[in-house]
Amino acid sequence: DVVLTQTPPTLSATIGQSVSISCRSSQSLLDGDGDTYLNWLLQRPGQSPQLLIYSVSNLASGVPNRFSGSGSETDFTLKISGVEAEDLGLYYCMQATHAPLTFGAGTKLELK
Amino acid sequence: QVQLKESGPGLVQPSQTLSLTCTVSGFSLTSNSVSWVRQPPGKGLEWMGAIWSGGSTDYNSALKSRLSISRDTSKSQVFLKMNSLQTEDTAIYFCTRHWSFDYWGQGVMVTVSS
Repeated sequence: DVVLTQTPPTLSATIGQSVSISCRSSQSLLDGDGDTYLNWLLQRPGQSPQLLIYSVSNLASGVPNRFSGSGSETDFTLKISGVEAEDLGLYYCMQATHAPLTFGAGTKLELK
Repeated sequence: QVQLKESGPGLVQPSQTLSLTCTVSGFSLTSNSVSWVRQPPGKGLEWMGAIWSGGSTDYNSALKSRLSISRDTSKSQVFLKMNSLQTEDTAIYFCTRHWSFDYWGQGVMVTVSS
């Protein structure tokens, strides 16, 4: 199975600060169809996961453009340009290129 | 409006079978695939399996021997059945639209306890 390693496990930030989360894959996530099925999710406390970014860098509908994704093959990054209070929660990367679908262990974004 | 909603018993006894339903609206099960994902308390997300738009299924190999996913397209429902439940199966169970992962149900908490 593909292992996704997220760092850091916990991130402390002040409002307005820019932060980044890394997701490294044990295998290339470039699919044979040319797409890379690496997504980012946010799970706020007590809520279901919410899609933020799909296919590495595409912003999901309704997601603020302070969120951005980048990367390729095995190294991916989620950046938040100016953290807001509503951004606090658990961030997960997930891959759907290789079966079975797998998730990173999560990065907790908290207020400093 | 796309929605998914999980339903099922909140408490299951050890060794018994869990049956959950995911009722969807706003999209067709014959054109979309649905996955089940679970999350033990305080832990991360685990993909359990999926039913594809054509009706075939795939399962996480760790659960394959105990898990079955099916659907009733006329009722827009996807079903999960998992047998031989143990305390480690205590979790929130979510259904989500596979491939897009843009919509998730609110989840149903299942506790395995006698």
